Amino acid sequence: KNEVEQSPQNLTAQEGEFITINCSYSVGISALHWLQQHPGGGIVSLFMLSSGKKKHGRLIATINIQEKHSSLHITASHPRDSAVYICAVSGYGGSQGNLIFGKGTKLSVKP
Amino acid sequence: EPEVTQTPSHQVTQMGQEVILRCVPISNHLYFYWYRQILGQKVEFLVSFYNNEISEKSEIFDDQFSVERPDGSNFTLKIRSTKLEDSAMYFCASRRGLAGRNYEQYFGPGTRLTVT
Repeated sequence: KNEVEQSPQNLTAQEGEFITINCSYSVGISALHWLQQHPGGGIVSLFMLSSGKKKHGRLIATINIQEKHSSLHITASHPRDSAVYICAVSGYGGSQGNLIFGKGTKLSVKP
Repeated sequence: EPEVTQTPSHQVTQMGQEVILRCVPISNHLYFYWYRQILGQKVEFLVSFYNNEISEKSEIFDDQFSVERPDGSNFTLKIRSTKLEDSAMYFCASRRGLAGRNYEQYFGPGTRLTVT
């Protein structure tokens, strides 16, 4: 069974700072997902990637398949980025869509 | 933009009662999921559903749980006899998909279940 570890667990940043959240997993995957969970509980998919790098606005996600590691970067952070960021992985075959989640990284961006 | 909806947003029930949580996935999606998140813990997979049958379930999804797609739009999770430890946020998700390809999942806003 895949183990998904995230670091750090909690992160406080000043507005404008560059932020990095890390995720590692133990078993080969078909895709890795970065999700954002708002204080009210709702979950939004930010990225799904299986190789390389993706960028959307101020968010960048990278993955290194050989090292079983992914990072989520936020450039020019803003208080509205405050949320829990969750890494999740999907396996192969019949369990392809069944996500295994990390514990999340709680980000707080101060003005 | 299409979205996954869930009802109710909050359900309070007494131990031993049956509850049904409802979800309306995005209309052209083919794969449906239920996840749960106990307060302060990580999100956990419960069950996946495709082509009108369960495709995979976790060890959490025991005989007390069942899922159904009673019509073309709803997807339900039933807990037959609730326990205190069933208190959690339950998320429904859906994705489009061809077998063998990955697609991102779209999550509903969740139903907070409180068992007293």
